[in-house]
Amino acid sequence: AQSVTQPDIHITVSEGASLELRCNYSYGATPYLFWYVQSPGQGLQLLLKYFSGDTLVQGIKGFEAEFKRSQSSFNLRKPSVHWSDAAEYFCAVGARNYGQNFVFGPGTRLSVLP
Amino acid sequence: DAGVTQSPTHLIKTRGQQVTLRCSPKSGHDTVSWYQQALGQGPQFIFQYYEEEERQRGNFPDRFSGHQFPNYSSELNVNALWLGDSALYLCASSLNSEQYFGPGTRLTVT
Repeated sequence: AQSVTQPDIHITVSEGASLELRCNYSYGATPYLFWYVQSPGQGLQLLLKYFSGDTLVQGIKGFEAEFKRSQSSFNLRKPSVHWSDAAEYFCAVGARNYGQNFVFGPGTRLSVLP
Repeated sequence: DAGVTQSPTHLIKTRGQQVTLRCSPKSGHDTVSWYQQALGQGPQFIFQYYEEEERQRGNFPDRFSGHQFPNYSSELNVNALWLGDSALYLCASSLNSEQYFGPGTRLTVT
């Protein structure tokens, strides 16, 4: 069965500092991988996705993520965090066949100090 | 181009009642999925509709049912509401392998 773990429940960084959010997945083959961001009371906004090809993918708002097959990881990074990045971040895996229901991780809450 | 829209935004129901939530997919998207997001947790897959039929279902009881209309819009119905059904219900539409999420409906069961 598919599963996603996000080891860090809550991370606090200072504005301007770099950020890395961890994501590990369990899946029988190479899945589709996604990172979503959710502000309080809001829906999910797609930051970036990995389907195939280059393992370093660029997303919106200056985020990037690297797919490492050997480690079953898809960590999210940003070189310099802005106060507006404070939100909940979810990693998700999706099947490559029809019916792309996603399995989400539990989320990592990011707080940004001024 | 309007994105995924959901109605209502908020809803308060009493235990035992029934509720219907609505979703209009992004233009051109033919697949609609529903997720339940309890407070402090990640979204959990309920079911997915394609061509007006339920294509996949997550680990949710039969109290949760749905429907997809010819225009691809969808409804989620929950019967005999429990307190534990209180959550944010998210609808997502997709055409290929990328899902776009609506803002959600916040359901509170008292």
